[in-house]
Amino acid sequence: GENVEQHPSTLSVQEGDSAVIKCTYSDSASNYFPWYKQELGKRPQLIIDIRSNVGEKKDQRIAVTLNKTAKHFSLHITETQPEDSAVYFCAAYGNNRLAFGKGNQVVVIP
Amino acid sequence: DAGVIQSPRHEVTEMGQEVTLRCKPISGHNSLFWYRQTMMRGLELLIYFNNNVPIDDSGMPEDRFSAKMPNASFSTLKIQPSEPRDSAVYFCASTLGTGGSEQYFGPGTRLTVT
Repeated sequence: GENVEQHPSTLSVQEGDSAVIKCTYSDSASNYFPWYKQELGKRPQLIIDIRSNVGEKKDQRIAVTLNKTAKHFSLHITETQPEDSAVYFCAAYGNNRLAFGKGNQVVVIP
Repeated sequence: DAGVIQSPRHEVTEMGQEVTLRCKPISGHNSLFWYRQTMMRGLELLIYFNNNVPIDDSGMPEDRFSAKMPNASFSTLKIQPSEPRDSAVYFCASTLGTGGSEQYFGPGTRLTVT
């Protein structure tokens, strides 16, 4: 089955700087790649997603890039703010199964 | 819409007891997912229903776990007998379509088995 790995596990950034989280996946048949944000004690919520026919997608301060050849995708957060502090999960969907990575803790230091 | 509803929000039980978690998906959604979240294992898919039919239950840890979806608006996850290692947050999520679209998570049930 699909195996999704996220790096680094914890990321600390100064407010205003950019944060980048990278994920790799194993199944070349995967065609949908969402990112979820989970604040402490809350439920995961979708922040951005990308399908395999697109290489990049942007929504205000967040963007996702996909490299199908290398089987990795990344989340980019620019101009980070304290409210960006959370755990971010990447996921890959293929063969009727959505597999999540273990999550990255992002800490934005004011 | 009220979103995905889960009950109870917190459950504390003793080892060996039966635990039943409940979920009401968003009206109109035809896929429902049960996840378990722990620090060690992250977010794990337990079972996935589409149109009330279990499609993938390969994530169900063992026979002590069972899930049902008797109709489009209700699902249960049962653990019998419960064990301390079952302590986790259990999320239910729903979506329109399959797993290849946005999943809407419920608030979760925090289960503690002593």
